[in-house]
Amino acid sequence: GQQLNQSPQSMFIQEGEDVSMNCTSSSIFNTWLWYKQDPGEGPVLLIALYKAGELTSNGRLTAQFGTTRKDSFLNISASIPSDVGIYFCAGLFSNDYKLSFGAGTTVTVRA
Amino acid sequence: NAGVTQTPKFQVLKTGQSMTLQCAQDMNHNSMYWYRQDPGMGLRLIYYSASEGTTDKGEVPNGYNVSRLNKREFSLRLESAAPSQTSVYFCASGGTASLTGELFFGEGSRLTVL
Repeated sequence: GQQLNQSPQSMFIQEGEDVSMNCTSSSIFNTWLWYKQDPGEGPVLLIALYKAGELTSNGRLTAQFGTTRKDSFLNISASIPSDVGIYFCAGLFSNDYKLSFGAGTTVTVRA
Repeated sequence: NAGVTQTPKFQVLKTGQSMTLQCAQDMNHNSMYWYRQDPGMGLRLIYYSASEGTTDKGEVPNGYNVSRLNKREFSLRLESAAPSQTSVYFCASGGTASLTGELFFGEGSRLTVL
C-alpha cells in the first residue's frame, strides 16, 4: 500500500491549546481526508480536501491540502477534553476506491 | 438509522478455527470495505466491493475471503484463523460519492486468536 507518514505519533494537549499535526506522502493524491476515532468507536470523517492548496474549516478544525499534493496538515484551535482520540490522515488517488491511511496521531489530555 | 452494523463485536478463536464477520449498511451505499486496525499501523484495507456483485483485494487480503451478499451486506471470512489475525476489524461503506473517500465506519469487531 501507499506510505503515509503522520506526525507526531502522539501528543499531549492542555485545554485551550492550539495543536497541529501533519501527513506526508511520496505519492501525489487527488484527495486528502482527516478522520477521528474515539475510543471503542469507528473513525468518523472530519474534513475532506479535493484541491491542491485548499484550506477548509470545520468548527475549531482547519485542514489544508498541500500545494505539492503530497502533504496535508490539521490544526485544532482551543482544545477541549473531547478532542482526545486518534486522528488519521488518508489519501485517495483519482478514480480509485482504495483509501490509504496514515498510522494515526494519538491525542491525550495532559494531566 | 443504524448506519453500518457489524457482528459480532467481540470474538475469541483458537488457531485453525473459522469464523465470519458480518456487516450490513442501511444507507443504500454502493461500495463497502473491510479494514483491519493494528497498533501503530493505522487502518489497512483487506478487501473491498465497489458495487454489488464485485469484490477486489486490498493491501492485506491473505487469509481472508469476502462475500458481497447483496447491496446491504458484505461479510469477511477467516477460513483458518492464525494469531497474526488478532486485530480490530472495521467495515465501512461509501455512497455514490465514494470516490471522494468519504466512508462511514461501523464500531468494529475485536478478534483474538489464541
